[in-house]
Amino acid sequence: GIQVEQSPPDLILQEGANSTLRCNFSDSVNNLQWFHQNPWGQLINLFYIPSGTKQNGRLSATTVATERYSLLYISSSQTTDSGVYFCAVEHGLGETSGSRLTFGEGTQLTVNP
Amino acid sequence: KAGVTQTPRYLIKTRGQQVTLSCSPISGHRSVSWYQQTPGQGLQFLFEYFSETQRNKGNFPGRFSGRQFSNSRSEMNVSTLELGDSALYLCASRRSSYNSPLHFGNGTRLTVT
Repeated sequence: GIQVEQSPPDLILQEGANSTLRCNFSDSVNNLQWFHQNPWGQLINLFYIPSGTKQNGRLSATTVATERYSLLYISSSQTTDSGVYFCAVEHGLGETSGSRLTFGEGTQLTVNP
Repeated sequence: KAGVTQTPRYLIKTRGQQVTLSCSPISGHRSVSWYQQTPGQGLQFLFEYFSETQRNKGNFPGRFSGRQFSNSRSEMNVSTLELGDSALYLCASRRSSYNSPLHFGNGTRLTVT
């Protein structure tokens, strides 16, 4: 199956710093999403980005599908950004094949005040 | 618009018992999928339902089963619980079976003693 690797596994920042999280995947994808898992376990959908660049406030993401990677940028980090960030991909989809997200192992982000 | 709703939030069961978890998708979403999250294995796909049909299944034993009702609500059942089934179980819904983002619920945290 498809492999998803995220780096770095852990990241500690001071409030106000910027960061870049990376997601590499081993095959072409139909879907790529970035999630933030809060301390209560909920996976919050940040970006649906199989290709291209999107921005949402202090967060932005870029997926270069031909080179099989995606980047998540966090600018001016805040303590509330702490948590685990997951990249998840789908590939080989069709109308009848159904869906299945393969997750990376996540990046544990800690933002200190 | 209400998000994905999972009930109950927490469950404590004893080995050998069975458990049923419930998921109500976002209104208009026809695809519902289930994921298991454990510290050792990360986030793993269990199965996906679309229009009451199981479209895709992960690599889990037959003790894990699910179903979807005509209103798109879904349940998953785990029979003969084992200690290793202790996990956060997450449900996700999406508009169609592919090419749209998944939205996750808050999860059900199952503890097996």
